[in-house]
Amino acid sequence: DAGVIQSPRHEVTEMGQEVTLRCKPISGHDYLFWYRQTMMRGLELLIYFNNNVPIDDSGMPEDRFSAKMPNASFSTLKIQPSEPRDSAVYFCASSFLGVWETQYFGPGTRLLVL
Amino acid sequence: KNQVEQSPQSLIILEGKNCTLQCNYTVSPFSNLRWYKQDTGRGPVSLTIMTFSENTKSNGRYTATLDADTKQSSLHITASQLSDSASYICVVSVRGNAGNMLTFGGGTRLMVKP
Repeated sequence: DAGVIQSPRHEVTEMGQEVTLRCKPISGHDYLFWYRQTMMRGLELLIYFNNNVPIDDSGMPEDRFSAKMPNASFSTLKIQPSEPRDSAVYFCASSFLGVWETQYFGPGTRLLVL
Repeated sequence: KNQVEQSPQSLIILEGKNCTLQCNYTVSPFSNLRWYKQDTGRGPVSLTIMTFSENTKSNGRYTATLDADTKQSSLHITASQLSDSASYICVVSVRGNAGNMLTFGGGTRLMVKP
């Protein structure tokens, strides 16, 4: 298996623009997680899905952030409009059977909002 | 409030030496504790996971300990290698909460010098 795949790996955009991050989880995994990592705040869980259904989105910072999982092999995290404080590395992870099971992380998307 | 505190924030050691990283938590009710290793520019990778009843768990040169009474965990690295240079993140999970079920520490950045 190729592991968790994320795209793009790097994104530079201007404030106010829409940003869409993409993730393909490991085949067979039924949990998918979106994280944000910054130097100041460390790793933060934004939202997670179970069987394509959002279970906990309490970590989503505000309405500018939205996440979807239309099928078991694809998820998106969208920021609209983007702001400079959204600059961070966004990780997608997947696991089998539960939140507390081993999560396998993707390589991350490094986002810079100018 | 659920919190996970890691110390030290950063550490520099010479190749071949041992080191110990600390993780203190106030999460309740506790489910399990996991240590992740995160190489620069990559996603975290799980090293060990321990449940309430486990005191120690090893993964090669990495040995994690858990004292559920004092709510402390440590990660001991034996005979360090240059490839151990990374950030180490302690994550504590709470089973059954309706809200955010994972609490992350801020990480310890380890640098191993030749």
